[in-house]
Amino acid sequence: NAGVTQTPKFRVLKTGQSMTLLCAQDMNHEYMYWYRQDPGMGLRLIHYSVGEGTTAKGEVPDGYNVSRLKKQNFLLGLESAAPSQTSVYFCASSWGMHEQFFGPGTRLTVL
Amino acid sequence: AQSVTQPDIHITVSEGASLELRCNYSYGATPYLFWYVQSPGQGLQLLLKYFSGDTLVQGIKGFEAEFKRSQSSFNLRKPSVHWGDAAEYFCAVVANTNAGKSTFGDGTTLTVKP
Repeated sequence: NAGVTQTPKFRVLKTGQSMTLLCAQDMNHEYMYWYRQDPGMGLRLIHYSVGEGTTAKGEVPDGYNVSRLKKQNFLLGLESAAPSQTSVYFCASSWGMHEQFFGPGTRLTVL
Repeated sequence: AQSVTQPDIHITVSEGASLELRCNYSYGATPYLFWYVQSPGQGLQLLLKYFSGDTLVQGIKGFEAEFKRSQSSFNLRKPSVHWGDAAEYFCAVVANTNAGKSTFGDGTTLTVKP
């Protein structure tokens, strides 16, 4: 099992460009999450999904959109990147209230 | 709303010394409690969890944690720290009515001196 994978691992964008981060899990988990991690701020939840076709806003959703068309995939989109979105992005999945399994992260820099 | 506080931003211990990382939570009922570890450049990995029952829980890599309801705490301990334990540690809580969403503390960075 690969667990949770994220694509790409690194990306540099210019302000105003768009991109999509892909998260895939092979554990048949219902719940999936996108976080951003910034120094000294822990992990902040951007969006999450409790099942295929569902999404919901987390703590810091502005500037991001998500889609969960297939159970195993959770996509995070940035329509018009801003320097404030420079961060490390983590995807995670879980069975409900059980522990979350994390991907290796995507390091995004917006110039 | 639930919240998690990790009072220590950075802790330095000598190799072989004992370790305790503090975690306090705020929530009306008993949440599900977790400790995760993050090595540099990696994602988070579960160390241990508490759902119910015995308040002292054992985890991987020789870690344990004790749930104290009266203090709303879930402190992580290790009797003898190894250099490989240097990492960032996160406490997290999940409320049983919150769609599995975890609230994470800001993390404690552990440095191990030789």
